[in-house]
Amino acid sequence: KNEVEQSPQNLTAQEGEFITINCSYSVGISALHWLQQHPGGGIVSLFMLSSGKKKHGRLIATINIQEKHSSLHITASHPRDSAVYICAVRSVQGAQKLVFGQGTRLTINP
Amino acid sequence: ETGVTQSPTHLIKTRGQQVTLRCSSQSGHNTVSWYQQALGQGPQFIFQYYREEENGRGNFPPRFSGLQFPNYSSELNVNALELDDSALYLCASSWDFSTDTQYFGPGTRLTVL
Repeated sequence: KNEVEQSPQNLTAQEGEFITINCSYSVGISALHWLQQHPGGGIVSLFMLSSGKKKHGRLIATINIQEKHSSLHITASHPRDSAVYICAVRSVQGAQKLVFGQGTRLTINP
Repeated sequence: ETGVTQSPTHLIKTRGQQVTLRCSSQSGHNTVSWYQQALGQGPQFIFQYYREEENGRGNFPPRFSGLQFPNYSSELNVNALELDDSALYLCASSWDFSTDTQYFGPGTRLTVL
């Protein structure tokens, strides 16, 4: 079993829909990252969380440390949000590295 | 734009050859991490350098090696290439390895034939 699991693996929605991507992890962490990867490979950091909730524009990220779970929400989704969204954790054991989930491929149709 | 660049963008090699991939970090970023991303998978941690010393390593064999230079550039070297080494190789830099947001480069796509 992977240390970081994301669901769903693939998600297709219509423009305007509210999107939720989930991430569960099995190790103690010092931080959790949500990342966005567009075709071609470039990765952009969206959020870094250690507790609570963060909001940036139409994106909201939450984390529940006790339940070892985080969610990324996108409100009023748009075709330009189509990308792979990746959850990654920095464990307290190996603080040097990020451990990544396998990613969620999001497609927003106009 | 993350300020992190990688070269080359694409590379094709044959089995058994050696390859060097390069990364240029933002000025002041003391930490660089390298990741391997196979198609359809999340990135896997290869190793990290902090102030020119290796600071942690993932489950990769010794034929994967690296260097970090004082000018905030770094290299990933892979010897004796295998077909399974075909992947996107990403570098990411930050000021401090334990706390900061990592800034990713665009990646180098390596194909081993």
